[in-house]
Amino acid sequence: GENVEQHPSTLSVQEGDSAVIKCTYSDSASNYFPWYKQELGKRPQLIIDIRSNVGEKKDQRIAVTLNKTAKHFSLHITETQPEDSAVYFCAASVGSNYQLIWGAGTKLIIKP
Amino acid sequence: DADVTQTPRNRITKTGKRIMLECSQTKGHDRMYWYRQDPGLGLRLIYYSFDVKDINKGEISDGYSVSRQAQAKFSLSLESAIPNQTALYFCATSVDGVSGYTFGSGTRLTVV
Repeated sequence: GENVEQHPSTLSVQEGDSAVIKCTYSDSASNYFPWYKQELGKRPQLIIDIRSNVGEKKDQRIAVTLNKTAKHFSLHITETQPEDSAVYFCAASVGSNYQLIWGAGTKLIIKP
Repeated sequence: DADVTQTPRNRITKTGKRIMLECSQTKGHDRMYWYRQDPGLGLRLIYYSFDVKDINKGEISDGYSVSRQAQAKFSLSLESAIPNQTALYFCATSVDGVSGYTFGSGTRLTVV
């Protein structure tokens, strides 16, 4: 079946440094790629998404890049802050109804 | 505020018992989903519904059933709970699948 691989499973960075999380998807027809942030004990929340007709999208300190040829997309967080500590999930759409296949998550730890 | 509400927030039940988890939303979204979250496995889709008469199995539907009582209500039942159904369960809604999901606060279920 279709799957999404997400790496790394845990990422520890110094406050102020950049963090990059990568996902690879298997369905070449996938055309929607959201990223969700889940703080400890909270619900997942959408932070940014990208469609297949766009190679990059930015929103303040976060950005997502998409390489359709290689079937991978990445989340970039610059100037990390303590409130960026959370688990981040990527997902890729499958099928005409835009069902999502989810990555296993990355725990991002920001060291003071 | 328009939101997604799950009840109960926490539940401990015994093996073999029937249990129902409830989800209601005030967002006016047609699409509703039930996911379970396990550490290291991300979010896995149990069932989804695009309207009251449209119910579909997800990747891990065995041992679960659902009921879409109204556009705003989508319930998940475990007919005979077993310990490996211990997990965090999330309900989510979406208007079209590509405008982001709104998740409920989750139900932490423990089967002993």
